[in-house]
Amino acid sequence: GAGVSQTPSNKVTEKGKYVELRCDPISGHTALYWYRQSLGQGPEFLIYFQGTGAADDSGLPNDRFFAVRPEGSVSTLKIQRTERGDSAVYLCASSLTNSGAGDEQFFGPGTRLTVL
Amino acid sequence: DAKTTQPNSMESNEEEPVHLPCNHSTISGTDYIHWYRQLPSQGPEYVIHGLTSNVNNRMASLAIAEDRKSSTLILHRATLRDAAVYYCIRGSNYKLTFGKGTLLTVNP
Repeated sequence: GAGVSQTPSNKVTEKGKYVELRCDPISGHTALYWYRQSLGQGPEFLIYFQGTGAADDSGLPNDRFFAVRPEGSVSTLKIQRTERGDSAVYLCASSLTNSGAGDEQFFGPGTRLTVL
Repeated sequence: DAKTTQPNSMESNEEEPVHLPCNHSTISGTDYIHWYRQLPSQGPEYVIHGLTSNVNNRMASLAIAEDRKSSTLILHRATLRDAAVYYCIRGSNYKLTFGKGTLLTVNP
């Protein structure tokens, strides 16, 4: 079956521009997560959705970052006034639910964002 | 703060077993131990997780110390496709806190 997909796979933008990154989770998965991975580091948690609502956005670095999931399926990560330090691979993951034990998260291939 | 300690890198030969260690000395009673791996240019992939008892699945085995302060991921017969960064993560909820992981090299 189809896994988590992310578009675009690569995005190059200029400092100060606005970007949107899209995530299509596995069908039927109620939980969706965004992570950011800088070169040589492990992924860093950004935000978690349960259904349509952001259950935990404590990982968003500042108010330039925002994410939505209006219908409880596709999610969009939005970054305003991009900075060179935002350059990273942005990973999306989904899980069937969140039982508290930490259900298996299925990751997409990521979007590589480069801010010039 | 990843709260786990892993060697930066390990090396193995193809078709031999691999034991990847992880220390999590400050683990709480409700924390699970998760292992994910990340192949080059891909997103992380779930490997296995457990709480207290040893766990086995089609990919690997997880051996958890009796005091739960350490664990070992066991790949029974390494293949070239197992070359990846392996992350040991402790947590009780959805928020996976990744460290830098162990880079496993598999020699043919």
